Amino acid sequence: QKEVEQNSGPLSVPEGAIASLNCTYSDRGSQSFFWYRQYSGKSPELIMFIYSNGDKEDGRFTAQLNKASQYVSLLIRDSQPSDSATYLCAVNAGNNRKLIWGLGTSLAVNP
Amino acid sequence: ETGVTQSPTHLIKTRGQQVTLRCSSQSGHNTVSWYQQALGQGPQFIFQYYREEENGRGNFPPRFSGLQFPNYSSELNVNALELDDSALYLCASSRDRSYQPQHFGDGTRLSIL
Repeated sequence: QKEVEQNSGPLSVPEGAIASLNCTYSDRGSQSFFWYRQYSGKSPELIMFIYSNGDKEDGRFTAQLNKASQYVSLLIRDSQPSDSATYLCAVNAGNNRKLIWGLGTSLAVNP
Repeated sequence: ETGVTQSPTHLIKTRGQQVTLRCSSQSGHNTVSWYQQALGQGPQFIFQYYREEENGRGNFPPRFSGLQFPNYSSELNVNALELDDSALYLCASSRDRSYQPQHFGDGTRLSIL
């Protein structure tokens, strides 16, 4: 069974700190990796995507991918209260290109 | 660039009824995926359409069906509604079947009484 696993949290960090979110996946053939942010009652919003090993930075967000260890992480620098949300990790694997989702990590940034 | 739009935003049905949900893909996107998200859960893949043909299906019964039109908009149909079908239904479009990111609409909240 292909799976994507995330720590459900809640992860609580003070405003201005670095929030670190982790995701592991079981399918070694996975090709692309996505982080989505979802506010309560809203639809997921794409934050980052990464295809190659290493780091990818976009503003305050950095995605890190390690295919050998089968994990992908999201770092949020200078965390703001508006970053408080559930962060979903999604992995695209297999020939039918479907996304396999983790259950999400709840992040709370405290002022 | 027009984003993904879904209609209706909210819907209340009773058990045994049928429902049709609609989705307009983002301009330039030819692939639409449908997801069901129950409260506190991650999205569950229902199926994907690419250029009007089904391109993969998740573990949902045949009473969940769909189609995609030549303009790449899509419909999700659910027959014989059950209480467990109550969820947020999400449509996402992407540029093609490749590993491009999917962009979501605001979803349709379906409640079954």
